[in-house]
Amino acid sequence: QVQLQESGPGLVKPSETLALTCTVSGGSISLGGYYWGWVRQHPEKGLEWIGYIYYTGENFYNPSLKSRVSISGDKSKNQVSLRLRSVTAADTAVYYCARASVGGASPFDTWGQGTRVTVSS
Amino acid sequence: DIQMTQSPSSLWASVGDRVKITCRASQTITTYLNWYQQKPGKSPRLLIFEASNLQSGVPSRFSGSGSGTDFTLTISSLQPEDFASYFCQQTYSSPSTFGQGSKLQIK
Repeated sequence: QVQLQESGPGLVKPSETLALTCTVSGGSISLGGYYWGWVRQHPEKGLEWIGYIYYTGENFYNPSLKSRVSISGDKSKNQVSLRLRSVTAADTAVYYCARASVGGASPFDTWGQGTRVTVSS
Repeated sequence: DIQMTQSPSSLWASVGDRVKITCRASQTITTYLNWYQQKPGKSPRLLIFEASNLQSGVPSRFSGSGSGTDFTLTISSLQPEDFASYFCQQTYSSPSTFGQGSKLQIK
């Protein structure tokens, strides 16, 4: 059974870079068939898709964040990383790592527990 | 971006009730529609994919229907563990977008 675990600082200063890591166990990011992605949830609000990475290294990003975001994979560590530059208070949210199946409606079938990130000086 | 509008935003129901939550897309998304359940402090859980397919391990009292722009999540007989928030998600076009959520509360 695949499990995802997010890690990273819970507090980031405005204008700095948010950096989170998702460690995957029970599955491999080096194999096809799944996207490995990030979704965030602002306090008491809905969900926002940030982007995916595929095992080929191909990225798909939300255009609203594309100028500031990068998602990368480290196959040796079986980890997926998120970097979001120039953060503001609007980036305060719970960040989830999630796996989506390729094809069809590409649902997120596995989620990490989420990590809360606050942007504040 | 495709806008996903759920209704109602909040609803109150009793154990044993039949409940329907709707999701409307701002343009056609064929059946590229997924439903998730989220409990407070927990991550979302996939219930239904491609509008009507039950995810493995999800109780059969959950069902989904619809295509085009209008979709429905039905819970046939509410159980205590079903009181939660529900979100729809479209993956027809990028960026994928979610509905604002429907909070199901105990009457």
